[in-house]
Amino acid sequence: GAGVSQTPSNKVTEKGKYVELRCDPISGHTALYWYRQSLGQGPEFLIYFQGTGAADDSGLPNDRFFAVRPEGSVSTLKIQRTERGDSAVYLCASSLALTGDSYNEQFFGPGTRLTVL
Amino acid sequence: SQQGEEDPQALSIQEGENATMNCSYKTSINNLQWYRQNSGRGLVHLILIRSNEREKHSGRLRVTLDTSKKSSSLLITASRAADTASYFCATGNSGGGADGLTFGKGTHLIIQP
Repeated sequence: GAGVSQTPSNKVTEKGKYVELRCDPISGHTALYWYRQSLGQGPEFLIYFQGTGAADDSGLPNDRFFAVRPEGSVSTLKIQRTERGDSAVYLCASSLALTGDSYNEQFFGPGTRLTVL
Repeated sequence: SQQGEEDPQALSIQEGENATMNCSYKTSINNLQWYRQNSGRGLVHLILIRSNEREKHSGRLRVTLDTSKKSSSLLITASRAADTASYFCATGNSGGGADGLTFGKGTHLIIQP
């Protein structure tokens, strides 16, 4: 079946502009995650959704970053007043959300490479 | 912030040799996972080891966990050129079934043909 998809694959913008990054999770996965990865670093957790609600947004760096998942499927990460330091690859992942002690493997998308000039 | 720290940062070995990577972490965990990332397939989950396990195998992969030392190792046996990638350890933020992950900085592994 189809994996996690992200659009656009590349986004170049100017400092101060607003950008939206989209994630389509695997069908049936109720949990969705956003990470960002800077060059030479591991992915950094941003936010995680259970259905439509943000279950953990502790990784969002500041109030310029916001994410939504209005229908519990597609999610959009929104960055206002972009800064050069926001340049990174933004990764989305999804998983089932079994309860209890079961671990739910996260499946990652290919990422969106954001460059802020 | 990064929870895990892998070492070495980079490793180059000959095809057929074994590769060992280590990871140290800071806080208590319920499980620790290893991921592989390369340009062809993106970030892929390899193996998970729970905090009450000491060793786990999956094909050519062997993972150990020492919770007293807050460390884990990943061994890849009989390496192949296709194993060239970056390898990351990751721990769950809260230990639930669906959980944000904290990754280390990774080990870049190069397999020389």
